[in-house]
Amino acid sequence: GESVGLHLPTLSVQEGDNSIINCAYSNSASDYFIWYKQESGKGPQFIIDIRSNMDKRQGQRVTVLLNKTVKHLSLQIAATQPGDSAVYFCAEKRTGTASKLTFGTGTRLQVTL
Amino acid sequence: GAVVSQHPSWVICKSGTSVKIECRSLDFQATTMFWYRQFPKQSLMLMATSNEGSKATYEQGVEKDKFLINHASLTLSTLTVTSAHPEDSSFYICSAESRVESTDTQYFGPGTRLTVL
Repeated sequence: GESVGLHLPTLSVQEGDNSIINCAYSNSASDYFIWYKQESGKGPQFIIDIRSNMDKRQGQRVTVLLNKTVKHLSLQIAATQPGDSAVYFCAEKRTGTASKLTFGTGTRLQVTL
Repeated sequence: GAVVSQHPSWVICKSGTSVKIECRSLDFQATTMFWYRQFPKQSLMLMATSNEGSKATYEQGVEKDKFLINHASLTLSTLTVTSAHPEDSSFYICSAESRVESTDTQYFGPGTRLTVL
């Protein structure tokens, strides 16, 4: 169902360390998952996606892991940089015509120097 | 590629007036566009799904007569907030769906900050 956030959880990471952001999704029928990054006052920016027939996908400095058994998704950011500071949302959907994205509550990543 | 623009980026209006927000897919055709609103420190809430050439589908609790959506072409959708009131103040974000490799990736616009006085 739809997700309504109250207060964003915050992850504080030192520059250069790896970050792991977790997300639990709700719909077992979802087969497509996306991570978005949203900076303050801006729209969400696509980071990486993964389909349900995969359990891992890598991009540039980012890796998404999918565990369908426990309906869990994670985003790993290697060598976190100050520019990575933002709110990260996972989103799930069932592929098909005009099917809706359901967003998670979001996690704020703070990168400390 | 896959760039979505919104106009205006911010708007301040008086209570009772109407405001139109445009959403454009700049380098791809989008048969489906979505409109979201986002309150501070919260996630995105889907308001409606807009299909080119047909009526929009509104989410439960969203008044279709207050939030008018028009999807006149494959690259343009508009959201009009009619008779705006202070409680309509929010961050409105559109997205456009790009069909690549049989998955439906949504690309988001930069958002429009609406403040109703």
